[in-house]
Amino acid sequence: QQQVKQSPQSLIVQKGGISIINCAYENTAFDYFPWYQQFPGKGPALLIAIRPDVSEKKEGRFTISFNKSAKQFSLHIMDSQPGDSATYFCAALLRGYQKVTFGTGTKLQVIP
Amino acid sequence: KAGVTQTPRYLIKTRGQQVTLSCSPISGHRSVSWYQQTPGQGLQFLFEYFSETQRNKGNFPGRFSGRQFSNSRSEMNVSTLELGDSALYLCASSDGTGGYGYTFGSGTRLTVV
Repeated sequence: QQQVKQSPQSLIVQKGGISIINCAYENTAFDYFPWYQQFPGKGPALLIAIRPDVSEKKEGRFTISFNKSAKQFSLHIMDSQPGDSATYFCAALLRGYQKVTFGTGTKLQVIP
Repeated sequence: KAGVTQTPRYLIKTRGQQVTLSCSPISGHRSVSWYQQTPGQGLQFLFEYFSETQRNKGNFPGRFSGRQFSNSRSEMNVSTLELGDSALYLCASSDGTGGYGYTFGSGTRLTVV
């Protein structure tokens, strides 16, 4: 019940296109859903996050869409750039319970 | 404000040996969590320490242990190393009080030969 399923495993998008990564969770008690971006040789870095009482959150070119009834959330990267090429992890956690459950990651490649 | 510092960055060990990894959290953060990252299993939670006490634990064998010192620095120890322990070990710090801030270090790349 702690799983977070993420798809696709890899994604190739042309520069200027939209990158979409999807995640689904099982535990309805999760109350925070962050996305992390990881470059080679670095640890994951918090990109954007959403609480389940909000259906959408946008920060610059990055948008999270959240569907509580379907237990799904997704990351949209608008106007994708080569510098966005990285591995993206969705995650879920319970506030106050310091254990983050991660998705399996999506390797994004943005080609010029 | 300095980030999360992990040392060493790279390690090569032989099967059967033991290893100790170190993590210095962001100043003021009292929670340190450890994760193992491998291509096949992704990011797996090892354990979390808060104020020198292990507060949460993942599903790893007893060969994996940790501790936290009074200055919040944490160490992770792996005994009797196996080839499958080769991974990137990541440390993350937070204030541990229920907030959502969670900052990762760059990790220690452990290779077991």
